[in-house]
Amino acid sequence: GQQLNQSPQSMFIQEGEDVSMNCTSSSIFNTWLWYKQDPGEGPVLLIALYKAGELTSNGRLTAQFGITRKDSFLNISASIPSDVGIYFCAGHNAGGTSYGKLTFGQGTILTVHP
Amino acid sequence: NAGVTQTPKFRVLKTGQSMTLLCAQDMNHEYMYWYRQDPGMGLRLIHYSVGEGTTAKGEVPDGYNVSRLKKQNFLLGLESAAPSQTSVYFCASRPRDQPQHFGDGTRLSIL
Repeated sequence: GQQLNQSPQSMFIQEGEDVSMNCTSSSIFNTWLWYKQDPGEGPVLLIALYKAGELTSNGRLTAQFGITRKDSFLNISASIPSDVGIYFCAGHNAGGTSYGKLTFGQGTILTVHP
Repeated sequence: NAGVTQTPKFRVLKTGQSMTLLCAQDMNHEYMYWYRQDPGMGLRLIHYSVGEGTTAKGEVPDGYNVSRLKKQNFLLGLESAAPSQTSVYFCASRPRDQPQHFGDGTRLSIL
């Protein structure tokens, strides 16, 4: 089956630093999603990418859909303490019998020191 | 995560016991999903449903059953709980052509 490798597994940074994480896939996706999970809660959608090469921003967050359709990255600029959490990438192939099923990366645990 | 409600939030079971987890969504979404989350493994799809009365297996369906008798509800059942099923379970729903919305999870421990 499809696999997503997300890196790094964890990051410890100082407040104000920029953060970058990425996902690579063994096969092609036509949608990439980035979710954030706070402790004790479910994942919340941050950014959705639908076209190869697409670069999308949401406040301090920027994500890109790789040209090969096998990778995506997420950048967080000027981190703040509330950025703490687990970030997940997820891939999806629309149409056919996929029915919106997502394949998730293993997650990146982000810790921000004030 | 307004709109997707999971009950219960916590539960402790003994090996061999059965239970049902309930997911309810009030957004009239067609698709619903059940995932389990284990440390270092992300979320893995257990079962999913593309509409009322239909269900299908996901990546890790063994030991679980599901039902979608009403469009707004998706039930996940454990007939005979095993310690390997200790996990955090998440339900998600989505309309056509939109990303999934997740509930806040059910933390299940099986002793």
